[in-house]
Amino acid sequence: DVKVTQSSRYLVKRTGEKVFLECVQDMDHENMFWYRQDPGLGLRLIYFSYDVKMKEKGDIPEGYSVSREKKERFSLILESASTNQTSMYLCATTGDRSGYTFGSGTRLTVV
Amino acid sequence: DAKTTQPPSMDCAEGRAANLPCNHSTISGNEYVYWYRQIHSQGPQYIIHGLKNNETNEMASLIITEDRKSSTLILPHATLRDTAVYYCIVRAGGTSYGKLTFGQGTILTVHP
Repeated sequence: DVKVTQSSRYLVKRTGEKVFLECVQDMDHENMFWYRQDPGLGLRLIYFSYDVKMKEKGDIPEGYSVSREKKERFSLILESASTNQTSMYLCATTGDRSGYTFGSGTRLTVV
Repeated sequence: DAKTTQPPSMDCAEGRAANLPCNHSTISGNEYVYWYRQIHSQGPQYIIHGLKNNETNEMASLIITEDRKSSTLILPHATLRDTAVYYCIVRAGGTSYGKLTFGQGTILTVHP
C-alpha cells in the first residue's frame, strides 16, 4: 500500500513564524498535492507538483510556497503564519488514473 | 471537472447495505467516478472508482448507470466504523495530474 506520511499531527505556531509542513510518500508517484480543509469549505487545493522541482499553484496559493527537491518529499511552507491559516492540512499523492492516497493530516493552529 | 450532487446525510442500520447515490449529469466521456470517505479527523480514504462498468473491491461496489449520469456506492454490510463523510468526485482520466474537487459529501451514520 502507498503510504503518505505527514511529519506532525498537531502544530501550534505563533503569528509571523515561518512554518514547514513535510510530506513523504513511499511509492514512486510523480504527483503530489497540498490541500487545506476547513468546516463548510471542503478541501481546497493550495499547490501541487507533478515532478521534482516542478510546482503549480492551486486554487488558494496566497501565503504559501512549496518545495519538491526529491520525488518522495513535498513540503508546504507558510512564509509568515497568520491566524487565517489555522486549518487542517492534507498531503496527497496519486499515479495517473489511480486513486489519491492522503496522509493523516496536520492540524495547524496559529495563535 | 463535472460537478456532483449528493444528499447531505443518510442513516443506515448496522449489518444492512448502505446505498449512497451521486448525480453527475454533466460528466464527460473521459471522466471517471471516484468515491472517497473521511472519518473524523483523518485524511480522506480512497474507496473505489470506475468509468462505465460496475466495479467491486473488498470495500464496496460501484454501480454506474448506463448513461453515466449517476452512480451508487454500495457498502454491502455496513458497520459502525463505516460512519464517515462520503465524497463522490469525477475526474478526467489520462492526465498526468488530476486535481480533485471535493464537494460537501454525504454524512453516513451507521446505527447499532
